[in-house]
Amino acid sequence: DAKTTQPNSMESNEEEPVHLPCNHSTISGTDYIHWYRQLPSQGPEYVIHGLTSNVNNRMASLAIAEDRKSSTLILHRATLRDAAVYYCILHSGGSNYKLTFGKGTLLTVNP
Amino acid sequence: NAGVTQTPKFRILKIGQSMTLQCTQDMNHNYMYWYRQDPGMGLKLIYYSVGAGITDKGEVPNGYNVSRSTTEDFPLRLELAAPSQTSVYFCASSLRPAGNQPQHFGDGTRLSIL
Repeated sequence: DAKTTQPNSMESNEEEPVHLPCNHSTISGTDYIHWYRQLPSQGPEYVIHGLTSNVNNRMASLAIAEDRKSSTLILHRATLRDAAVYYCILHSGGSNYKLTFGKGTLLTVNP
Repeated sequence: NAGVTQTPKFRILKIGQSMTLQCTQDMNHNYMYWYRQDPGMGLKLIYYSVGAGITDKGEVPNGYNVSRSTTEDFPLRLELAAPSQTSVYFCASSLRPAGNQPQHFGDGTRLSIL
């Protein structure tokens, strides 16, 4: 599996935007970039995914570099409920069924 | 809006006991997965299923068994519990295994083996 690199932790203030970076320099052409988050004592929650173009949904935006070697998850206005571990995962699907979770980025949101 | 439901939420077992972790989904997904998460670590795939009657091993299958008799249910069986199986277990499902399909997770079963 292609590897992703994320900062161990980040801190933000409530109602401010948050940009969570992810490097994936060995990404292949068939890899989708997925983001999941895990709130304390809960299962991972799907946030967003994309292949080449930037993506928006009700939870967040995903900005993908033109060379696809990095991406950024954008939370437009952080709330206390966004405090979680955020995982950036590459997933090509097909016969590769598993999602490979690294250690992710622990996001702390200050009131 | 149930999604993926796991029971029980917590369980303590003695070494050598057996138990079944239940997982059911109401999204009519063919693909289902069992992961375990050890403290401070990422998730590791134990077993997966591509449809009723079809299962296969993931990264860490030793000490576990699964069955898939219906689309909705994918139970995980521990036959002889060992301390190394103390972990949080997550069940997930997806419509297809393709890279553009998200996996939907349950809230987990926290299992301690003493």
